[in-house]
Amino acid sequence: EAQVTQNPRYLITVTGKKLTVTCSQNMNHEYMSWYRQDPGLGLRQIYYSMNVEVTDKGDVPEGYKVSRKEKRNFPLILESPSPNQTSLYFCASSPPGNTNEKLFFGSGTQLSVL
Amino acid sequence: KNEVEQSPQNLTAQEGEFITINCSYSVGISALHWLQQHPGGGIVSLFMLSSGKKKHGRLIATINIQEKHSSLHITASHPRDSAVYICAVRIGGNQFYFGTGTSLTVIP
Repeated sequence: EAQVTQNPRYLITVTGKKLTVTCSQNMNHEYMSWYRQDPGLGLRQIYYSMNVEVTDKGDVPEGYKVSRKEKRNFPLILESPSPNQTSLYFCASSPPGNTNEKLFFGSGTQLSVL
Repeated sequence: KNEVEQSPQNLTAQEGEFITINCSYSVGISALHWLQQHPGGGIVSLFMLSSGKKKHGRLIATINIQEKHSSLHITASHPRDSAVYICAVRIGGNQFYFGTGTSLTVIP
């Protein structure tokens, strides 16, 4: 089954403790991206990747890192989480941007930073 | 800055009603997406549009590139259509900007 898998589904942590949210897709998509969703602000793009070893900042990249060492995986890293990073996070993938295909979303990660 | 504006923010309809959700954007785009988010949070892509109109079952999406406007229509609405509908624009193939969503409740 074609899918984007995110883990964990829920995560509670404390300020400053490094964490990684994993994202994996089995559709051989070149494009992957991370978003955060906050009440009243909607979804905002954090980082995106056009292919292996190609990443770029989205609208709200501060406090986040990503890597794309393999085509299927695109982890989101919070080196020193802060309470303002408490949010619902989504990973998504699609074929290359010039094909304008649909986005496929993971099931989301609810992160709470205390 | 708010590149994408959706209206209405909230919408309550009786089962069977025809529903329209609007999306306006202010920048040049390569595509526009309509997304559906059910309670519980999962997001599903409904349509991707770069021109014209698309139909899937009771859902119809249209886009007017010159007017920078798109509409999502639901015909014969049903309680299972209750969800948040989100408009997203793709710029340059890489970046996405999202509306804040329209929360739809369909009452039996």
